[in-house]
Amino acid sequence: GQQVMQIPQYQHVQEGEDFTTYCNSSTTLSNIQWYKQRPGGHPVFLIQLVKSGEVKKQKRLTFQFGEAKKNSSLHITATQTTDVGTYFCAGPRSGGGADGLTFGKGTHLIIQP
Amino acid sequence: NAGVTQTPKFRVLKTGQSMTLLCAQDMNHEYMYWYRQDPGMGLRLIHYSVGEGTTAKGEVPDGYNVSRLKKQNFLLGLESAAPSQTSVYFCASSYSGGLAYGYTFGSGTRLTVV
Repeated sequence: GQQVMQIPQYQHVQEGEDFTTYCNSSTTLSNIQWYKQRPGGHPVFLIQLVKSGEVKKQKRLTFQFGEAKKNSSLHITATQTTDVGTYFCAGPRSGGGADGLTFGKGTHLIIQP
Repeated sequence: NAGVTQTPKFRVLKTGQSMTLLCAQDMNHEYMYWYRQDPGMGLRLIHYSVGEGTTAKGEVPDGYNVSRLKKQNFLLGLESAAPSQTSVYFCASSYSGGLAYGYTFGSGTRLTVV
């Protein structure tokens, strides 16, 4: 079945440093989604990317979808303590996505003040 | 507040006991999902529903059953709990199968089976 892999598993940064997490799929994806989960909380939807090579920005967060639609990245500029949490990418189990999303194992962002 | 509500939030079961987790959403979403989250394993899909009266198996369905008798409710049942089912369970719903709007997750149920 489809696999979605994320690296790194953990990332320690000093506050103010940049952070990047990478997501790779074993198959071409129709779209990819990103979620954030704060410690002790639940996943919260951040964004969806659909087009090959797409780049979207949300304040200090930049999301990219690869040209082959098999990989994606999330980059955070100048991290803040509020960015702490686990970031997940997710792709549709099948083309349409109605039968659920396959999530990567996530990247835990740990920020040292 | 609109959203996805899960009950209970915490539960401790003895091996062999049964229980039902309730998920309720008030957003008129067609699609609903049950995931479990274990350390180092990410989120894994247990069962899902694409509409009232429908259910289907996900990646890890063994030991679980589900029902969706009403559009707003999605129930997850454990008939005979096992320690391997100790986990955090999340329910999610979506308007369009996840496209464009993403999933809205509930706050989770932390289940311990002893």
